[in-house]
Amino acid sequence: SQTIHQWPATLVQPVGSPLSLECTVEGTSNPNLYWYRQAAGRGLQLLFYSVGIGQISSEVPQNLSASRPQDRQFILSSKKLLLSDSGFYLCASLGVGRGLNYGYTFGSGTRLTVV
Amino acid sequence: DQQVKQNSPSLSVQEGRISILNCDYTNSMFDYFLWYKKYPAEGPTFLISISSIKDKNEDGRFTVFLNKSAKHLSLHIVPSQPGDSAVYFCAATYNNNDMRFGAGTRLTVKP
Repeated sequence: SQTIHQWPATLVQPVGSPLSLECTVEGTSNPNLYWYRQAAGRGLQLLFYSVGIGQISSEVPQNLSASRPQDRQFILSSKKLLLSDSGFYLCASLGVGRGLNYGYTFGSGTRLTVV
Repeated sequence: DQQVKQNSPSLSVQEGRISILNCDYTNSMFDYFLWYKKYPAEGPTFLISISSIKDKNEDGRFTVFLNKSAKHLSLHIVPSQPGDSAVYFCAATYNNNDMRFGAGTRLTVKP
């Protein structure tokens, strides 16, 4: 079965500082990978998805970026954080051969507070 | 653009009774619908799904109903247990890369 590792679990960063959140996947190869954000009182918003190494699609224009340097590694970055970047960030995976009847596998998330 | 809507932010039921969580969608292209359960400070976990070619899918205490003409789906939990207390997200997709989530409904099951 797939396992997603996300770190750190919580992060407090000052406005204007850089960000790097890492996600790694075990138990599958060539998965589709996703970054979601849950803002306070809101649903899950898709930020980026990737169907392969170096392939990134952005859903929401913003000061965040994503990269996929390896098959099972997905990184969310920012050069300068804004207060509005605060939220709960989730990495998700859909493994090859796994139909949607299994849903996405989510990581445990990173709670980011920008102060 | 909120294509998946969960209009009830919270729901409280008594243990042993039925919990009904509702979800509406606007995009007729959606062909797969899912429910996720989320505990605080954790990622969502997949609960149950349904294809648009079906109107019901059952898995133990959980049943999802789909009414395509009304663009509405619901999750029934019978009987409800205190451990079911969590936030439930409805999701819909028409391809693997565009899964849309509702805002979630917080279910509280009282002993």
